Amino acid sequence: QVQLVQAGAEVKKPGASLVVSCKTSGYTFTSYFIHWVRQAPGQGFEWMGVINPSGGSTVYSQKFQGRVTMTRDTSTRTVYMDLSSLRSDDTAVYYCARVRSGEVSGYRTFLYWGQGSLVSVSS
Amino acid sequence: DVVMTQSPLSLPVTPGEAASISCRSNQSLLHTNGYNYLDWYLQKPGQSPQLLIYLGSNRASGVPDRFSGSGSGSDFTLKISRVEADDVGVYYCMQGLQTPLTFGGGTKVEIK
Repeated sequence: QVQLVQAGAEVKKPGASLVVSCKTSGYTFTSYFIHWVRQAPGQGFEWMGVINPSGGSTVYSQKFQGRVTMTRDTSTRTVYMDLSSLRSDDTAVYYCARVRSGEVSGYRTFLYWGQGSLVSVSS
Repeated sequence: DVVMTQSPLSLPVTPGEAASISCRSNQSLLHTNGYNYLDWYLQKPGQSPQLLIYLGSNRASGVPDRFSGSGSGSDFTLKISRVEADDVGVYYCMQGLQTPLTFGGGTKVEIK
């Protein structure tokens, strides 16, 4: 079965960098895009960007451009989201999500989600 | 960015009754390929979101047929024909037509 397993909670100081991992299994890793979405406490969802595990190409939300980097390791089937220059308002649960299909009709629908990684940014 | 507006914010329902959630976008979500890039997700308390409806009206695998999605362009509706206790949570619509992908603010469904 398809699984996306994320690391647990982290506490970071303002100005630090964060790396969240998303280890996948149960499907062909290079066939499905992985998106990153975050949810601030008690808030809705914010899309951060997407990576194509096949070639590593990425598209980032302009809001995070310059601060976010998404990479993948095909040998371990793991996707990483790196966010730098952390601020208190980066406190959120960060989710990775795999798309429904590799086709145009499904590459922006999130069928499988990780369990989320809670990141707290505080001095 | 495409702005997604959901209503109502909160929806108390009696088990067995129907419920309806509206989602409107400030731009059409109809792609030239004929698909409306509008999905519905449910986030149950303490859980990751789960996909209910994709491309406006297609139920995801395993989703009960009590759930249905309709609409086109910029006006969409999620209907639950007979609400059950297990349906409580926050429902979100999300547009996938253009980046950044954007979500509605959510509708909290609770049992009366």
